[in-house]
Amino acid sequence: AQSVTQLDSQVPVFEEAPVELRCNYSSSVSVYLFWYVQYPNQGLQLLLKYLSGSTLVKSINGFEAEFNKSQTSFHLRKPSVHISDTAEYFCAVSATDNNDMRFGAGTRLTVKP
Amino acid sequence: KAGVTQTPRYLIKTRGQQVTLSCSPISGHRSVSWYQQTPGQGLQFLFEYFSETQRNKGNFPGRFSGRQFSNSRSEMNVSTLELGDSALYLCASSPTLGTGGREQYFGPGTRLTVT
Repeated sequence: AQSVTQLDSQVPVFEEAPVELRCNYSSSVSVYLFWYVQYPNQGLQLLLKYLSGSTLVKSINGFEAEFNKSQTSFHLRKPSVHISDTAEYFCAVSATDNNDMRFGAGTRLTVKP
Repeated sequence: KAGVTQTPRYLIKTRGQQVTLSCSPISGHRSVSWYQQTPGQGLQFLFEYFSETQRNKGNFPGRFSGRQFSNSRSEMNVSTLELGDSALYLCASSPTLGTGGREQYFGPGTRLTVT
């Protein structure tokens, strides 16, 4: 079965600074990769996903993630964060041949003024 | 389209009681999955229903059960509640059961507190 490790449980950063949230996965088969965001008292929302093709995927609000197969990573980056980006971010993986989606433990991003 | 709705949003129960949570998926979605979210364990998969049949199950005791109705609405039941069942229970819907990098659409969750 596949698994996900989010390397940082908390990431504090100042507004307008760049940020990287790290995600590594483990799987013996091909995978799809996802980043979800959870704002306080809300459910999860899909931020971006990698299915195939270009290894660099982008969201509409400035986040991007790069699939690195050799390093089994899918790190999330943003060049300049806003206060409104404060939330919990979850990396998730599912194998291409089953429906089993596994989530990482989450990274709490706190953007300070 | 309306999103995934979950009722109730908050619930307080006593140990030993049972509870039923409800989830209405996005119109047209036939797959409903349930997750338990706690600070210590993170997001853990409970089960998935598709076309009224349980298709996949996580590693939870039999006290956790669910069902899906013909209109795709789903209910989750927890019997003989324990303090450790306190969590945010999230429901997610998806158009299909199959593979293809399907996205799951999450509801806001039901916050269950067991005292």
